[in-house]
Amino acid sequence: DIQMTQSPSSLSASVGDSVTVTCRASQYISNYLNWYQQKPGRAPKLLISSASNLRSGVPSRFTGSGSGTDFSLTISSLQPEDFATYYCQQSYSTPWTFGHGTKVEIK
Amino acid sequence: VQLVESGGGLVQPGGSLRLSCSASGFTFSNHALHWVRQAPGRGLEYVSGISSNGGDRYHADVVKGRFTISRDNAENTLYLQMTSLRPADTAVYYCVKDEGRWLTIMIPDYWGQGTLLTVSS
Repeated sequence: DIQMTQSPSSLSASVGDSVTVTCRASQYISNYLNWYQQKPGRAPKLLISSASNLRSGVPSRFTGSGSGTDFSLTISSLQPEDFATYYCQQSYSTPWTFGHGTKVEIK
Repeated sequence: VQLVESGGGLVQPGGSLRLSCSASGFTFSNHALHWVRQAPGRGLEYVSGISSNGGDRYHADVVKGRFTISRDNAENTLYLQMTSLRPADTAVYYCVKDEGRWLTIMIPDYWGQGTLLTVSS
């Protein structure tokens, strides 16, 4: 199975800050990498597919990049509604696997 | 797009249960579907997937032989039949629509709100 390692596991930031979450795959996955946002008690929401494809309706302050094994999600100018947990997920091969999540908290 | 899960609840270890997911707002028969679960306070775990025509199915090793995914394209409903349930199966189970038809690349673009399964004596 492909292991997905996210870092950090949590971070504290202020409104307006720029933050970056990284995700590393245990083997090559090309650009088959999705990013999700999950708020407490809610279902995950797909933000970015194929490493850098911003989904419809997702604000442009979210940016995904990377290929191969190393990926990142950057949120520029954090907004109050961005405080949530973020997950990466590889869709290169079954079993599709998720990172353990990065909780973005208010400083 | 709406995905509404049902069928969760409390079941004893070793018991069985069937989850359902009623879908609307899209052409059901054109999309692969998945079940993804999340144990309380934990991360996301892929469970099962089924192609748009039901001809291809995948089950994670942790549920293989115990869970069976199926779909009824006439009724726009996805199912997950679960047997030999274990406490470790306790989780919120999400029904997830894929952007595509096949189980080749998973791009889950819509998620239901989930149904909670608790396995406990």
